[in-house]
Amino acid sequence: QKEVEQDPGPLSVPEGAIVSLNCTYSNSAFQYFMWYRQYSRKGPELLMYTYSSGNKEDGRFTAQVDKSSKYISLFIRDSQPSDSATYLCAMSGDQAGTALIFGKGTTLSVSS
Amino acid sequence: KAGVTQTPRYLIKTRGQQVTLSCSPISGHRSVSWYQQTPGQGLQFLFEYFSETQRNKGNFPGRFSGRQFSNSRSEMNVSTLELGDSALYLCASSFSRGTGNTIYFGEGSWLTVV
Repeated sequence: QKEVEQDPGPLSVPEGAIVSLNCTYSNSAFQYFMWYRQYSRKGPELLMYTYSSGNKEDGRFTAQVDKSSKYISLFIRDSQPSDSATYLCAMSGDQAGTALIFGKGTTLSVSS
Repeated sequence: KAGVTQTPRYLIKTRGQQVTLSCSPISGHRSVSWYQQTPGQGLQFLFEYFSETQRNKGNFPGRFSGRQFSNSRSEMNVSTLELGDSALYLCASSFSRGTGNTIYFGEGSWLTVV
């Protein structure tokens, strides 16, 4: 079993839809959870950063972490064509070092 | 504020050759990490440098190496290139060590091995 599982999609939605992206993980030591957005042939861009369980909202984006279920989600409200990209979840444990464990990424396409 | 800068952006090498990739972190950032991204394996951690010392290493063969200079700039080297080394190599920087620090990625260096 991989440490982090993420459905690769592709996920296609119409403009204005609410998008739900998810990852599951197996390592209970993970404490830091991130979502990155990566456009084609570009580097990953940090979208959301959450420590431990709970919700975090930033504009149209909401990140949720449920450590009891080992499940994290990213919600995108009022999706736009510019949101079309690959979304990567990443996580790490509460220890020194910056080794992130990534999901494979979900490809999202938002049509106008 | 300039982001993480990686050079070169694109390069093609022949099997058996070696390659050196360069990374300039965000000003003030002292931790530099390297990742390899491939369609099959996704993003995988290579190593992390802080204060010119390798602090953490992923599960890659010894052909992959790196170093960090006193100005926090970093280089990674891959020797005896194999076809499977074709990938996007990403550099990431953060202010300090510890996973509580926000990590920012560069645009990457696209390496093709033929």
